[in-house]
Amino acid sequence: QITLKESGPTLVKPTQTLTLTCTFSGFSLSTSGVGVGWIRQPPGKALEWLALIYWNDDKRYSPSLKSRLTITKDTSKNQVVLTMTNMDPVDTATYYCAHSPSPTMGGFDYWGQGTLVTVSS
Amino acid sequence: SYELTQPPSVSVSPGQTASITCSGYKLGDKYASWYQQRPGQSPVLVIYQDSQRPSGIPERFSGSNSGNTATLTISGTQAMDEADYYCQAWDSSTAVVFGGGTKLTVL
Repeated sequence: QITLKESGPTLVKPTQTLTLTCTFSGFSLSTSGVGVGWIRQPPGKALEWLALIYWNDDKRYSPSLKSRLTITKDTSKNQVVLTMTNMDPVDTATYYCAHSPSPTMGGFDYWGQGTLVTVSS
Repeated sequence: SYELTQPPSVSVSPGQTASITCSGYKLGDKYASWYQQRPGQSPVLVIYQDSQRPSGIPERFSGSNSGNTATLTISGTQAMDEADYYCQAWDSSTAVVFGGGTKLTVL
């Protein structure tokens, strides 16, 4: 079965760079069509899509955050890494990674449990 | 940038039909998905490609998408359906956008 799990720091200081890792099993990011995305949710607020990487290394970013985000994959390790620069308290949120079976499917069918990241000095 | 608009809240009596809308410019030209999120849990996909249900999702969940509006319909709503619901659109240029979410209350 497909599982995903997010890992990274729970607390970062303002201006620091956040690095989150999504470690997954049950699928390969070398399979045609497959993608892994990152989505975040500030406490009590809505979901916000951040980035998406596909099997062919095609990368998509949220237009509003594009300058701060980098998404990469390590197919051999079954991992996807998201970095976000210049962190601010407003970036405090639960960060999720999720599986996309194909671009035409248009959705995320499996999600990780999420990891809460707090930005504070 | 592309935006999706949902009503903040919808209320429904048990056993009745709940409809949650999602509006966006020419949304009908894109694929719409819907997610259910219960408090403290990760989102669960309930509808994809406008009207398809993933395996394990009850038949009472259905979806449609036309013009500028996608709609999630829950027939015979149960107490366990009380949750936040998010629409999401995808297309080759926009990539991914989420709506602001709708809190469904089953009274």
